[in-house]
Amino acid sequence: ETGVTQTPRHLVMGMTNKKSLKCEQHLGHNAMYWYKQSAKKPLELMFVYSLEERVENNSVPSRFSPECPNSSHLFLHLHTLQPEDSALYLCASSQDSGLAGADIQYFGAGTRLSVL
Amino acid sequence: AQSVTQLDSQVPVFEEAPVELRCNYSSSVSVYLFWYVQYPNQGLQLLLKYLSGSTLVKGINGFEAEFNKSQTSFHLRKPSVHISDTAEYFCAVSERNNNNDMRFGAGTRLTVKP
Repeated sequence: ETGVTQTPRHLVMGMTNKKSLKCEQHLGHNAMYWYKQSAKKPLELMFVYSLEERVENNSVPSRFSPECPNSSHLFLHLHTLQPEDSALYLCASSQDSGLAGADIQYFGAGTRLSVL
Repeated sequence: AQSVTQLDSQVPVFEEAPVELRCNYSSSVSVYLFWYVQYPNQGLQLLLKYLSGSTLVKGINGFEAEFNKSQTSFHLRKPSVHISDTAEYFCAVSERNNNNDMRFGAGTRLTVKP
């Protein structure tokens, strides 16, 4: 198994659909992240979970709802999305090194989301 | 909060030529700096990082970067590129003593031509 696995790799959904993105890490890390990657823009940090508790929520619209049932799994539940939400959604994980700010993040390959 | 500017959105070079990808950061406190690479259809992976010590940092695949505090820069260099280096490169910064808040630049698309 690769370190961080995201499913599905591609997703097309209508604005009224409800879908979920899944992320699983096999690295034994204790923090997980959701990022949005849009063309020509910096990665946008959406949510951070540390020890299964949400520690960061960067003003993300409520149509995105994260869930972290355990340290290995992270979900992003989607409902009533807008076309501008089309992007690559990346999951990452890291392990607390004891040096705050220095942790290396390991990324999955992402889910390419298209909202019609 | 910290921020990152990657000055070039696209850099085309010929194979075996040297390359420099530029990165400038802004922060009111001390920082850690990173370069990540994203190959097509893959996630980001770490190339190198600067935490402390020597300002010249060597990473994987022959890349290196130099931390310049006075110019708030962390440019990435490689003396001779290969076709396989074609990818998107992201500079990132995080503030010391502040976990879970890494900021990324918009990326530089490096295209190596034969």
